[in-house]
Amino acid sequence: QKEVEQDPGPLSVPEGAIVSLNCTYSNSAFQYFMWYRQYSRKGPELLMYTYSSGNKEDGRFTAQVDKSSKYISLFIRDSQPSDSATYLCATHGGGFKTIFGAGTRLFVKA
Amino acid sequence: DAGITQSPRHKVTETGTPVTLRCHQTENHRYMYWYRQDPGHGLRLIHYSYGVKDTDKGEVSDGYSVSRSKTEDFLLTLESATSSQTSVYFCAIRDRVRDNTDTQYFGPGTRLTVL
Repeated sequence: QKEVEQDPGPLSVPEGAIVSLNCTYSNSAFQYFMWYRQYSRKGPELLMYTYSSGNKEDGRFTAQVDKSSKYISLFIRDSQPSDSATYLCATHGGGFKTIFGAGTRLFVKA
Repeated sequence: DAGITQSPRHKVTETGTPVTLRCHQTENHRYMYWYRQDPGHGLRLIHYSYGVKDTDKGEVSDGYSVSRSKTEDFLLTLESATSSQTSVYFCAIRDRVRDNTDTQYFGPGTRLTVL
């Protein structure tokens, strides 16, 4: 079993839709949770990060962590074609190694 | 932008040849990482470094070696390239974000094809 599981998609939605991207993880020691966005043929870029459980909002993006169920979510409101990318969840327990999900490919259709 | 560059950006080579990829950073970060990214596998850690001449293996280190003789440069070497090493290679550094969370920032990647 992988330490972080993420549905690879692809996920296709119309412009303006609310997008929900999810990951599960297995190690209860993980405390820090990140979402990266990766455009085609580019490196991953940090999009959101949270510590422990709860929500964090940044513009149209909301990151949510539920440690009781080991579930990580990213919500995108009013999705735009420019949001089309691969989204990777990531986590670590405070150390220097980060565990990444395989990434979900998102397509937002105009 | 964490000031990370990778070279070359693209390379095609033949099976059995040695290949060296370079990662260069300009902001004096202590930790540097090499990942490979393949469909269905996501990012997998090859090797990492926690200082000059201090390196350790990741989960997919077989067939790869690294060196770090200067803080700013982290080299990844494929001693004898194989077709299974065809991949996109990313370098990353570890840095602090606003609320003291440590996270990683990535370079633009090197696309390697082994024929």
